[in-house]
Amino acid sequence: DAGVTQSPTHLIKTRGQQVTLRCSPISGHKSVSWYQQVLGQGPQFIFQYYEKEERGRGNFPDRFSARQFPNYSSELNVNALLLGDSALYLCASSLDRGNEQFFGPGTRLTVL
Amino acid sequence: GEDVEQSLFLSVREGDSSVINCTYTDSSSTYLYWYKQEPGAGLQLLTYIFSNMDMKQDQRLTVLLNKKDKHLSLRIADTQTGDSAIYFCAERDDNQGGKLIFGQGTELSVKP
Repeated sequence: DAGVTQSPTHLIKTRGQQVTLRCSPISGHKSVSWYQQVLGQGPQFIFQYYEKEERGRGNFPDRFSARQFPNYSSELNVNALLLGDSALYLCASSLDRGNEQFFGPGTRLTVL
Repeated sequence: GEDVEQSLFLSVREGDSSVINCTYTDSSSTYLYWYKQEPGAGLQLLTYIFSNMDMKQDQRLTVLLNKKDKHLSLRIADTQTGDSAIYFCAERDDNQGGKLIFGQGTELSVKP
């Protein structure tokens, strides 16, 4: 079975632009979470979606938004990019809001 | 507040045991996790422990939980060069949809 997949792998944007990152969960998993990992730090929670509804939001500005589709895949959208948004964006899926969260390989975003 | 703390570096010789330590703050956390991250990759779930357990063993991995002191440790027996990576401790926040709160990570270096 395929694990969590994310696209694109790498992305370079300039300040002020907008970006959309995509995530497909493990088959059968209904919950998707997004994390931001800045170089040298642990991942920080951004959002959790379960059954297409937002169930948790981290301490991120409104420039960050997300949604979950009927097939449980998810998109993370970031508007008005800042240099500080440069990071590895990780998606994790779980069966429900369950105890095991499995991570994808991440999308490396560089903002110039 | 939420805080998970880990020491930043650990260096061991191949064949020795490694012990990575972590302290957390939320005594209501139901699950605590250990993830492994290799360079340029996402996070791999190694093991997790339910908060009513003191110990969990899984092949070369042993997790010890001291709930009174809010201390979690991961012991890797017979450490190999392939174990070189960054190890993250995480606690689950059940008040926020099951989001994970990560430490900064411990970089394990295994010398031959």
